[in-house]
Amino acid sequence: DVKVTQSSRYLVKRTGEKVFLECVQDMDHENMFWYRQDPGLGLRLIYFSYDVKMKEKGDIPEGYSVSREKKERFSLILESASTNQTSMYLCASSLGEAGGMWTDTQYFGPGTRLTVL
Amino acid sequence: TQLLEQSPQFLSIQEGENLTVYCNSSSVFSSLQWYRQEPGEGPVLLVTVVTGGEVKKLKRLTFQFGDARKDSSLHITAAQPGDTGLYLCAGARDYKLSFGAGTTVTVRA
Repeated sequence: DVKVTQSSRYLVKRTGEKVFLECVQDMDHENMFWYRQDPGLGLRLIYFSYDVKMKEKGDIPEGYSVSREKKERFSLILESASTNQTSMYLCASSLGEAGGMWTDTQYFGPGTRLTVL
Repeated sequence: TQLLEQSPQFLSIQEGENLTVYCNSSSVFSSLQWYRQEPGEGPVLLVTVVTGGEVKKLKRLTFQFGDARKDSSLHITAAQPGDTGLYLCAGARDYKLSFGAGTTVTVRA
């Protein structure tokens, strides 16, 4: 079974702090994704990566950055946390099949609920 | 505004009843996925539909992709408490995947 793990289930930070969210997948997947999930808005893509050291902006990249130094690990960084970044953060990975990144099955981690005070 | 609109937002039914969840858009998608998310967990893929008019069945769940590939529906027959969860549709278009806001389904025993 594919396993995607996230470093924390719950996190509380203060405004202005630098925040690191870690995601690890164990199935040698090419693609990795970071989403945030807010009530009434669904999942919104922050960043994605299709290879080591490669990254692409999603729909809402402002205030975030990412790092992918190893294939299995994709980190989301909040440079200076703000209260409007309080949310559920979901990491996902997909194999990278010929059909295309956006029709692949995405496997999600359990999420990190981040509260910024 | 959401690219994909899901309705209803909430649905509460008795065990054994049928239900239908809708996912609509004015945009055409190359494929559409349905996910189910249980409390405290990430979404899990249920099905991917890629052809207009396609119907897929997964035990008591029936998924349909509209002929024009702009909409989809999920029908559950004889719902069970284990069907409780947040159902999300996601459409692939322009090299990205867009999610609807979801329908929260509660099946009462």
